Amino acid sequence: AQSVTQPDIHITVSEGASLELRCNYSYGATPYLFWYVQSPGQGLQLLLKYFSGDTLVQGIKGFEAEFKRSQSSFNLRKPSVHWSDAAEYFCAVGDLGLYTGGGNKLTFGTGTQLKVEL
Amino acid sequence: SAVISQKPSRDICQRGTSLTIQCQVDSQVTMMFWYRQQPGQSLTLIATANQGSEATYESGFVIDKFPISRPNLTFSTLTVSNMSPEDSSIYLCSVATGTSTDTQYFGPGTRLTVL
Repeated sequence: AQSVTQPDIHITVSEGASLELRCNYSYGATPYLFWYVQSPGQGLQLLLKYFSGDTLVQGIKGFEAEFKRSQSSFNLRKPSVHWSDAAEYFCAVGDLGLYTGGGNKLTFGTGTQLKVEL
Repeated sequence: SAVISQKPSRDICQRGTSLTIQCQVDSQVTMMFWYRQQPGQSLTLIATANQGSEATYESGFVIDKFPISRPNLTFSTLTVSNMSPEDSSIYLCSVATGTSTDTQYFGPGTRLTVL
């Protein structure tokens, strides 16, 4: 069965500093990988996704993630964090084809809570 | 991406009662899903809402507790039945649509507290 591990429950960074959130996955084939962000009291917003091709993917809000098959990782990065980035970040792996109509069964990691110090 | 709304945004309910949560999308979508996010936890898929047929439930979730309807391609409801404090969670619907059924977009969620 697929699984996702986010080793860091909480991370605190200073505004303007760089950020890297870790994500490791377990999946038998080429995974579909996602990063979502959840601001307080909000739903989940898709930051970026990886299906195939270039292993470095760009997302919204200046985020990027790199897929490393050899390390089973899909870490999220941002060169300069803004105070508004404080939120919870979820990594997810999708298994296309588990439904007859297509779509993905998403398995989420436990999330990383990001705090930004001014 | 589609615009997704949920009603209610939050509610406080008494033990033993039921609550129906609505999910409305501004365009027709192929697939709709319901997730639960318990306090301090990650998201867990409850079921896939199938248009015109019974929902497909994940292990640990049953229709009697979480009946789901999907009468058309833009709307679905999730009912949390005979609630207990353990049902206090955020309930989120998500959709996958068109040629990108491999990507899910989420609604704002319904925060439920059961006393």
